[in-house]
Amino acid sequence: NAGVTQTPKFQVLKTGQSMTLQCAQDMNHNSMYWYRQDPGMGLRLIYYSASEGTTDKGEVPNGYNVSRLNKREFSLRLESAAPSQTSVYFCASRAEWKGLGYGYTFGSGTRLTVV
Amino acid sequence: AQTVTQSQPEMSVQEAETVTLSCTYDTSENNYYLFWYKQPPSRQMILVIRQEAYKQQNATENRFSVNFQKAAKSFSLKISDSQLGDTAMYFCAFMKRGYTGANSKLTFGKGITLSVRP
Repeated sequence: NAGVTQTPKFQVLKTGQSMTLQCAQDMNHNSMYWYRQDPGMGLRLIYYSASEGTTDKGEVPNGYNVSRLNKREFSLRLESAAPSQTSVYFCASRAEWKGLGYGYTFGSGTRLTVV
Repeated sequence: AQTVTQSQPEMSVQEAETVTLSCTYDTSENNYYLFWYKQPPSRQMILVIRQEAYKQQNATENRFSVNFQKAAKSFSLKISDSQLGDTAMYFCAFMKRGYTGANSKLTFGKGITLSVRP
């Protein structure tokens, strides 16, 4: 009963370092998403993937890249971390049929601090 | 584009009492879903309740119910018999119905922090 698994849960980076946030789901969902959560801002979409091999930008894509490696995995990469990328990052996947109300399942989040 | 507004940043309620969290939204769509998510200190995003816009009946889930006013574009959450475990941040969210890709994204409000006092 894993749902959406994100790693790591916490990370501290120095400005300019790179890292990849990993996300995997075991629900056979086609759609996957990366959101960031900042105080007073709610959650904002960074990138999404409608299916294996396809990705597209959301509201706040600058400074990020993504890879949809297969149906299960959707990773988020910071090539050169900046303090403005300090945030909590959520991966999510979505059911695509009415019976589940097109519901989202979220991972447990990654708290990233860039110093 | 859709917008979701939660104008109250914080609320407090006494245990066992009832509290209502407000949410308004703006959209030109006619078919959509509205959600309330709970985020406790553990950071997990937990779906509380879902409303389909084409349904006139307000959704209920145990102690949680909504007041959905489609014409007014209002979607408030009522928590009855508040419990200490209800202490969390609550997000209102909107999603178009029947779309894929970016059009299937959730648009969130800024959230409201609810504290339940013992």
